[in-house]
Amino acid sequence: DAGVTQSPTHLIKTRGQQVTLRCSPKSGHDTVSWYQQALGQGPQFIFQYYEEEERQRGNFPDRFSGHQFPNYSSELNVNALLLGDSALYLCASSLAGTGYGYTFGSGTRLTVV
Amino acid sequence: GESVGLHLPTLSVQEGDNSIINCAYSNSASDYFIWYKQESGKGPQFIIDIRSNMDKRQGQRVTVLLNKTVKHLSLQIAATQPGDSAVYFCADRAPGGGGADGLTFGKGTHLIIQP
Repeated sequence: DAGVTQSPTHLIKTRGQQVTLRCSPKSGHDTVSWYQQALGQGPQFIFQYYEEEERQRGNFPDRFSGHQFPNYSSELNVNALLLGDSALYLCASSLAGTGYGYTFGSGTRLTVV
Repeated sequence: GESVGLHLPTLSVQEGDNSIINCAYSNSASDYFIWYKQESGKGPQFIIDIRSNMDKRQGQRVTVLLNKTVKHLSLQIAATQPGDSAVYFCADRAPGGGGADGLTFGKGTHLIIQP
C-alpha cells in the first residue's frame, strides 16, 4: 500500500519563476493538505483540498495556489518565487470525516536562487 | 494565527533512559493533538495522538499526556533507543468550517541520544 508520494524530490528555481509541485495521496484518502517547512521550523499549513475545492487556507499569499484532481491527487503552484519561498513542501493526506490519520509524504525541497 | 510551541529546542538523553518532550498550545478550541517524529530528509511520521476528551494515551514505548487546564501536552518515550534520535513536533487541530482540519505545528525538539 503506497503512502503519500511527492514529486519532484528536489527543485531549484530562480526568483520570479513559477513552480508546480505534485502529490498523490495514500490509497483510500480523499483529502490533501499542503505545508511549508522552513529550515529549523515546524511545518506551516498552506491549504487543504477536498472534493476538488480549497476548503481551508492558512496565512499564505495568493501567489500560492493549488488544485485537486478527480483521482484526489493535488498540485501546489507558487508564482513569482521569492528567496523566502525556499523550504521543504510537505503534502499530507487523510480521509474526510474520520478526524484523524494524517499521513505525510517526504516532501519536495525547493531552493530559490 | 494560533501557534503550538515546544519548550526546548534540544533534549539530550542517555540511551536506555526515559525521555519527556513538552509542548504548550494556545488554542482552547483545539480538540485533537498529534505527536510526529521527523528524521533528516524525511516527512513527519505519526507517533501517537490524543483527543481532547482524554488526558492520557499509551502506545508502544510512548505515552502522551494532555492537560487542558494549562494547555500542555507531553510525549514520554520509554527506554530511549538510538533510533529515537529525530526532531519531535506536536501539532494541534481546531475544528474548521466544512470539516476542514489543518494542523498547527510547534517548532520542534531535537532529541539526541547519548550512548
